Amino acid sequence: DAGVIQSPRHEVTEMGQEVTLRCKPISGHDYLFWYRQTMMRGLELLIYFNNNVPIDDSGMPEDRFSAKMPNASFSTLKIQPSEPRDSAVYFCASSFGQGNEQYFGPGTRLTVT
Amino acid sequence: TQLLEQSPQFLSIQEGENLTVYCNSSSVFSSLQWYRQEPGEGPVLLVTVVTGGEVKKLKRLTFQFGDARKDSSLHITAAQPGDTGLYLCAGLMDTGRRALTFGSGTRLQVQP
Repeated sequence: DAGVIQSPRHEVTEMGQEVTLRCKPISGHDYLFWYRQTMMRGLELLIYFNNNVPIDDSGMPEDRFSAKMPNASFSTLKIQPSEPRDSAVYFCASSFGQGNEQYFGPGTRLTVT
Repeated sequence: TQLLEQSPQFLSIQEGENLTVYCNSSSVFSSLQWYRQEPGEGPVLLVTVVTGGEVKKLKRLTFQFGDARKDSSLHITAAQPGDTGLYLCAGLMDTGRRALTFGSGTRLQVQP
């Protein structure tokens, strides 16, 4: 079975550009999470969805960040405009049920120059 | 400020040594998970503990949940190079935000 799929795996962009990260959760999972990981701040939860509905976006750093989940098999995290401080590895994870094991994707390494 | 503090942050040991990683909080958690993350990959779940005082063993790894459900430890016996990675604890709080809160992480390197 395919795990959580993320694309692209690597993204290099210039400051001010729009960046869109994509995630396909495991089929049948009803929770989807977006995380950001940096050496300084560790793994931070940005936003999570339950049955495609955003439940808690308090971790989204600012209005430049937005996330959508138009259906159960697809989610996007968009940064517009991007800034160098957004450079990090962004992970998507999904789970079946709240508080249960989260399955992580391989991450997208974003570099904003 | 991290809700879950892990210690030590970094640990470099020789193959065959024992080690313990700690995960501490002032908050109570209904359950706590331990994940291991290898370079270039996402974290992978090792274990979930839900009862205060619970001890779980996974081969050479022993996990304990504190009696008050505010802390946890991971003990590795006779560490192997394959144990190298980033170890993350993650707790689900009793109240409030019903999503996992991840600890700051312990980066372990086991030298052959």
